[in-house]
Amino acid sequence: DADVTQTPRNRITKTGKRIMLECSQTKGHDRMYWYRQDPGLGLRLIYYSFDVKDINKGEISDGYSVSRQAQAKFSLSLESAIPNQTALYFCATSDFRAFAVSEQFFGPGTRLTVL
Amino acid sequence: QQQVKQSPQSLIVQKGGISIINCAYENTAFDYFPWYQQFPGKGPALLIAIRPDVSEKKEGRFTISFNKSAKQFSLHIMDSQPGDSATYFCAASQASSNTGKLIFGQGTTLQVKP
Repeated sequence: DADVTQTPRNRITKTGKRIMLECSQTKGHDRMYWYRQDPGLGLRLIYYSFDVKDINKGEISDGYSVSRQAQAKFSLSLESAIPNQTALYFCATSDFRAFAVSEQFFGPGTRLTVL
Repeated sequence: QQQVKQSPQSLIVQKGGISIINCAYENTAFDYFPWYQQFPGKGPALLIAIRPDVSEKKEGRFTISFNKSAKQFSLHIMDSQPGDSATYFCAASQASSNTGKLIFGQGTTLQVKP
C-alpha cells in the first residue's frame, strides 16, 4: 500500500462549486504539505502543517483552506472553485529534524479541472 | 517572485549523452539544495541533495555541482538512459528555519531518445 494517498485522483468540477481534496499518510510523519503544480511554474506551496494544531499559509493560499483532522489526514478545500485553480495538486509529508531538512514524500497527485 | 530559477524548461538528449539542468537562487540563507524526480502520473521523489559545504556530490550517474559564490547549482546526468526521461525539479531550503519548506524551481522535462 502507498504511504501517501490522495483522493480523488481526478476531478472535474464547475466554477463556484466547493471541492475537497483529501490526503492520508501511513508514514507517521507530523508534517504535511499541499502543493499545486502548473506547467512552467513548478511546485508551489499552498499550506503546510506541523501538527494538528499548527497550520500555516504557503506562498499561494488565497482561495484555499485546509483542515488537519488527525496526524495522518490533511485535506485541502476550494470554497468556490475558479478556472485558474485548474492544476495538479500534491500532498507531501516529512518528519521533523532540528536544523535539517527532511525528505518530503509525495502522494500520486489529484488532477483538478474547473470548468 | 521566483526565488529559484531553473533552466532549461525542456531538454532532449540522446541515449548515452550528458543531461545538464541548471538552477540559480537568490536567498543566501538557503543551505539545502535537493533535486526531485517526477515520472508521468507520479508524485516527485527525492533524487539527490547537497549542502553548501561541498562543491559536488555524486550518486551513481547523478551529480550535483554547487557554486556558492554564483548562487548556482546544477544536476548532471551522465550516460543518460531512456528510463531517466522525467521531470526534474531543483529546490532550496533554509535548514535553520526548521520549517522544512522547500522552494521549487519551475521544472525541466527531460526526454532521452534511444
